[in-house]
Parts: sequence; structure tokens; C-alpha cells
Amino acid sequence: QKEVEQDPGPLSVPEGAIVSLNCTYSNSAFQYFMWYRQYSRKGPELLMYTYSSGNKEDGRFTAQVDKSSKYISLFIRDSQPSDSATYLCAMRANNNDMRFGAGTRLTVKP
Amino acid sequence: GAVVSQHPSWVICKSGTSVKIECRSLDFQATTMFWYRQFPKKSLMLMATSNEGSKATYEQGVEKDKFLINHASLTLSTLTVTSAHPEDSSFYICSAVLSTTSLPYEQYFGPGTRLTVT
Repeated sequence: QKEVEQDPGPLSVPEGAIVSLNCTYSNSAFQYFMWYRQYSRKGPELLMYTYSSGNKEDGRFTAQVDKSSKYISLFIRDSQPSDSATYLCAMRANNNDMRFGAGTRLTVKP
Repeated sequence: GAVVSQHPSWVICKSGTSVKIECRSLDFQATTMFWYRQFPKKSLMLMATSNEGSKATYEQGVEKDKFLINHASLTLSTLTVTSAHPEDSSFYICSAVLSTTSLPYEQYFGPGTRLTVT
């Protein structure tokens, strides 16, 4: 079993839709949870991070962590064509290396 | 914000030759840099961790004699793919952190280098 599982998609939605991206994980030691956005042939850029469980909101983006279920989500409201990218979840325990999901490729159609 | 650059952004080389990729932290000094490899539709796989002034730590399964890493200064790390083969074709991404106490989300990624070996 992989430490981090993420459905690679692709996921296609119309502009304005709410997008839900998810990852599951197996290592209960993970404490930090990040979401990165990666445009084609570019490096990942940090979108949001959370520490431990709970929700965090930043503009149109909401990150949720449910440690009891080992499940994290990223919601994008009022999605825009410029949101089209690959979204990577990443997580880390206190003193371990970061582990990434495979990335979900999202296309928002105008 | 913290900026990490990579050079070149894209390189094509012939099988058997060596290729050097540079990773620079432009506006901060990075005690630690990481090198990742990414295949299409796959996650980033950590290849090695590079600390300034010391030998890199390679992940299991990564050939250290094939992927030479040098972190000669606090702003520059290089990855040299020696005797490249077509199976080395991939997207190589570096990242940098300010210090060993940096938080996980304080890891800044470069734009990546696409290597194609013919």
C-alpha cells in the first residue's frame, strides 16, 4: 500500500463548479498536510497547508484534514479556467521526508 | 517570496553523455536542497537530500555514482546525470529550505528541468 493515495484523474468541470480533490494516507505520524498546484512543465507551488486536523480557508480554497479517517481534501469554489493544473497533496511527519500524492489533473472548461 | 531557479529548463542529450542541472536559491541561503524526479502522471520521488558542504544522502535505489550531487555553496546545488540513458529521461525538480528547522511548507520548489536522452 502506498503511503499517499491520490486519484490522478483527469477531472474536468465547467467554470464556476465546486471542485473536490482528495487524498488518503496510511502513516498516522503525518502532521503537516500541504496542497501544491503544478502547471504543465513547471515546479509545484504551495497553495495551502494545515497542521494536524481541521479546516483552513483561503479565498476560494478550503483545505480539510480528517486524521481519524486519514483523509484530506481540497475544495475549490467558483472554479476558473486558470485553476486548470495538476494538484498534488503532500504530507510529512515531524522529522521525515515529504511524501507526495500522484497528483490530480484538473481542467476547468469555460 | 523565496525563489528557486533551475537551469536549463529543458535539455536533450545523446545516450552516454553527461548532463549537469543547476539549482539556485535566488533570494535566500539554503542549507538543504532536495532533488526529485517526476514521471508523467506520477508523484514526485525524492532522489537525494543535499546539505551545503557535505555529501548528499541518497534514497534507496538511487545510484549515487550515476546521479552526482554537489552542494558547494548555500545558493547552488548541482545534479549531474552521468552516462545518461533513455530511461533517465524525466522531469527533475529541486527544492530548497532555509534551515534544518524550516517547517515542511517552507520548502520552495524550482521550475523543473526536462531531460530527454536520445
